[in-house]
Amino acid sequence: KAGVTQTPRYLIKTRGQQVTLSCSPISGHRSVSWYQQTPGQGLQFLFEYFSETQRNKGNFPGRFSGRQFSNSRSEMNVSTLELGDSALYLCASNLGTYFGAGDEQFFGPGTRLTVL
Amino acid sequence: SQQGEEDPQALSIQEGENATMNCSYKTSINNLQWYRQNSGRGLVHLILIRSNEREKHSGRLRVTLDTSKKSSSLLITASRAADTASYFCAAANRDDKIIFGKGTRLHILP
Repeated sequence: KAGVTQTPRYLIKTRGQQVTLSCSPISGHRSVSWYQQTPGQGLQFLFEYFSETQRNKGNFPGRFSGRQFSNSRSEMNVSTLELGDSALYLCASNLGTYFGAGDEQFFGPGTRLTVL
Repeated sequence: SQQGEEDPQALSIQEGENATMNCSYKTSINNLQWYRQNSGRGLVHLILIRSNEREKHSGRLRVTLDTSKKSSSLLITASRAADTASYFCAAANRDDKIIFGKGTRLHILP
């Protein structure tokens, strides 16, 4: 089975721009979660999607949004980029057997976003 | 705030020795998971222990969970150079969110 894929792997943007990141989960996985990883804050949960619905959300501003398509692929969007949004964005998928994040999660390699 | 807090933040040991990392969390959990990350890449799931379990083994890994102390430990026995990585605990809380700690950086010396 192919693993979780994320595109693009690297991205450079300037302040004020917006960005869209993409995640393709493992085939059969219905839950997709997004995380932001920075040296200062560590790994922080952004949101989780299951069957095209957001069913859990972390404490991030509304500039961070996401969606999930019928084939379970997911995108996250960050609008009006700030310097502090520079981070490694990780996507993880799981079967979604348990409500929320109770299952083992399979992570993609991440998208490294740099905001200048 | 972080649910999981690993201790120590960094650890260097000789190859062949055992490595122990600890994790504390704040609220009631459904399960606690340990992950490994190599050099800013994706995380790899190591082991999951449910709140009604006290100990779990997987190869050279041994995880314990003490829900009364809200703590867990990860033991890696007979360490190898390939074990050099950052290790994270992740607490899946009753609100169905998974909260990661900031990790322990493990360095195996040859």
